[in-house]
Amino acid sequence: AQSVTQPDIHITVSEGASLELRCNYSYGATPYLFWYVQSPGQGLQLLLKYFSGDTLVQGIKGFEAEFKRSQSSFNLRKPSVHWSDAAEYFCAVGEGGGADGLTFGKGTHLIIQP
Amino acid sequence: DVKVTQSSRYLVKRTGEKVFLECVQDMDHENMFWYRQDPGLGLRLIYFSYDVKMKEKGDIPEGYSVSREKKERFSLILESASTNQTSMYLCASSPGQRNTEAFFGQGTRLTVV
Repeated sequence: AQSVTQPDIHITVSEGASLELRCNYSYGATPYLFWYVQSPGQGLQLLLKYFSGDTLVQGIKGFEAEFKRSQSSFNLRKPSVHWSDAAEYFCAVGEGGGADGLTFGKGTHLIIQP
Repeated sequence: DVKVTQSSRYLVKRTGEKVFLECVQDMDHENMFWYRQDPGLGLRLIYFSYDVKMKEKGDIPEGYSVSREKKERFSLILESASTNQTSMYLCASSPGQRNTEAFFGQGTRLTVV
């Protein structure tokens, strides 16, 4: 069975500093990987996705993620965070774009310090 | 833009009530999903559907049922609501072809008292 681990429940970063959120997955075949963001009281918004090809993917809001098959990781990065980036971030793995639903990590809560 | 609309943002129901959560998508997507979100547990898949009148159990289907009579609408039903079903419920949809992401609604915060 597929699974996703986000080892950090909370992360605090100063505004303007760089960010890396960790995600490790367990999946038998080539995974389809996603990062979603959830602002308080809102639904989930897709930041970026990886299906195949270039292992460094660019997303919205200045985020990027790198797929490393050898480490079963798909870490999310941003070079300089803004206060508006404070939110809950979810990594997810799916098969074929999620036709059978996605498996989510438990989320990382990002706090931005002024 | 894809729009997934959940009929209620907040609901308060009594224990034992039958509860309907409604979800509508406007992009002719084949696949629709219901997730439950709880603090520290992330999102867990309750049920999904890949076609009208078709349904499949997800990871936590107990205590829930679903209905998909029309392609654009996917309903989650709590036959007899219990306090442990107090949660945030998120509906999502995705196209039938591969290599696509799921689009989420705003969520319904359900409180069972």
